[in-house]
Amino acid sequence: KQEVTQIPAALSVPEGENLVLNCSFTDSAIYNLQWFRQDPGKGLTSLLLIQSSQREQTSGRLNASLDKSSGRSTLYIAASQPGDSATYLCAVASFYNTDKLIFGTGTRLQVFP
Amino acid sequence: DTAVSQTPKYLVTQMGNDKSIKCEQNLGHDTMYWYKQDSKKFLKIMFSYNNKELIINETVPNRFSPKSPDKAHLNLHINSLELGDSAVYFCASSQDNGGGYNEQFFGPGTRLTVL
Repeated sequence: KQEVTQIPAALSVPEGENLVLNCSFTDSAIYNLQWFRQDPGKGLTSLLLIQSSQREQTSGRLNASLDKSSGRSTLYIAASQPGDSATYLCAVASFYNTDKLIFGTGTRLQVFP
Repeated sequence: DTAVSQTPKYLVTQMGNDKSIKCEQNLGHDTMYWYKQDSKKFLKIMFSYNNKELIINETVPNRFSPKSPDKAHLNLHINSLELGDSAVYFCASSQDNGGGYNEQFFGPGTRLTVL
C-alpha cells in the first residue's frame, strides 16, 4: 500500500530564501508524481508533474526532482516570496492504478517579508 | 473560462438530509474524480469515472452515489447526511496522454457542513 509523507509539516522563512520541500513514498512503482499548491479556502493548483521516466521538471522558480529508487521527490523554490505562502502537496499515481492519486499530508509554507 | 467548476461552493444542511454537488469540466478530459478533504486537511480519492464509467470506488459508504450524465459532468449525491460527512469535496479531471502524463486539474471545492 502506497504511503506518501511530506517533511517538514510546516516551514517559516524570510523572503528571498531558497528552500526545499521533501516528499517520500513507499512504493517505487509509480506512474507519475504531481506537486500542488493549495491556498487557504481554495482548490488545488497543479505546479509540476514528473513522469516516472523523468528526473526533474522546472517551471519558473520551481524545480521538482524525482528519485524513484529511493522513493523521494523534492520541490525546490528559489528566491521565495510572500506570495509563495501556501500549503504544498505532493501526490503519487501508482503504475498499476494510474488514475488514483495518493496524497501526502502537505507542507504549510509561510514566507514573511 | 473556468476549467473545473463546482456548485455550490458552500453547503450547510441538517443531518439526515439528501444533497447533491455538481461538477463540470470544459477541458475535454475523459476522466473525472471526487476527492474528500477532511478536517485535518488530508485529501483522499473517493471515485473516478472514465467516459461515464465508474473506475475507482474507494470503499465509500453507499450513501454516496456519483452520477456522470456525460463525460464533462460528474455529480455527487449524498443520502442521509451524517456529521462525519462534513468536509471539503473536490472535483478533478484529467486526460491520460500516455507515458505517465496524466495531470489532474482540480475545482475550487465545496465546503459541506452537516449540523
